[in-house]
Amino acid sequence: QSALSQPASVSGSPGQSITISCAGSSGDIGAYDHVSWFQHHPGEVPRLILYDVHYRPSGISDRFSGSKSGNTASLTISGLQADDEAIYYCNSYTPSGRVIFGGGTKLTVL
Amino acid sequence: EVQLLQPGGVLVQPGGSLKLSCTVSGFSFGSYAMGWVRQSPGKGLEWVSGIDATGKRTFYSESVRGRFTVSKDFPTKTLFLQMTNLRVEDTALYYCAKDRLLLWFGSFDSWGQGTQVSVST
Repeated sequence: QSALSQPASVSGSPGQSITISCAGSSGDIGAYDHVSWFQHHPGEVPRLILYDVHYRPSGISDRFSGSKSGNTASLTISGLQADDEAIYYCNSYTPSGRVIFGGGTKLTVL
Repeated sequence: EVQLLQPGGVLVQPGGSLKLSCTVSGFSFGSYAMGWVRQSPGKGLEWVSGIDATGKRTFYSESVRGRFTVSKDFPTKTLFLQMTNLRVEDTALYYCAKDRLLLWFGSFDSWGQGTQVSVST
């Protein structure tokens, strides 16, 4: 299975909103609602920010939201802050039990 | 506090074997699925393997299936990844990660610091 498709980069100014897409197929994103999103600052470990498409773990800001339509999931970050600058990855569970990650999207806060 | 402790880096020759470990604390090891994720130099995250809470069901990416084996040792609360027939392209930072649930879904809510594996002559 190929990696899920994410844009290589997105950017936005402080206070703005951005959306990152994660495109898959009926064999992964389209099969279940088990899509997660991770934030990865260089030199740190990845952090789970959304699971099951739109649920936030404890301690994650409500500025992070998620949705899914068909075979594509999306992450929206509102009220951009400097600390949001990071690489964002989506992943999806598949019916075979395998997990597939997206290629990652570098978010730049201008 | 949830902790996943991984040892430091290791160098191994192509064709060689290696067993990675990840010792956990701060949660019930037998109640959560676990997994391994790697990141090659300059690349993104790549899922490698997963195991359910009981240790009875295991899952592998196509790139490592048949060469890697994941297991849980409950007395020592340690997750292992036995790696054999290593290739240069297996060079990466290997993270162990805890799933949110007993079942395996790949929604990793805690991560170790990673073990750097270098496969080279």
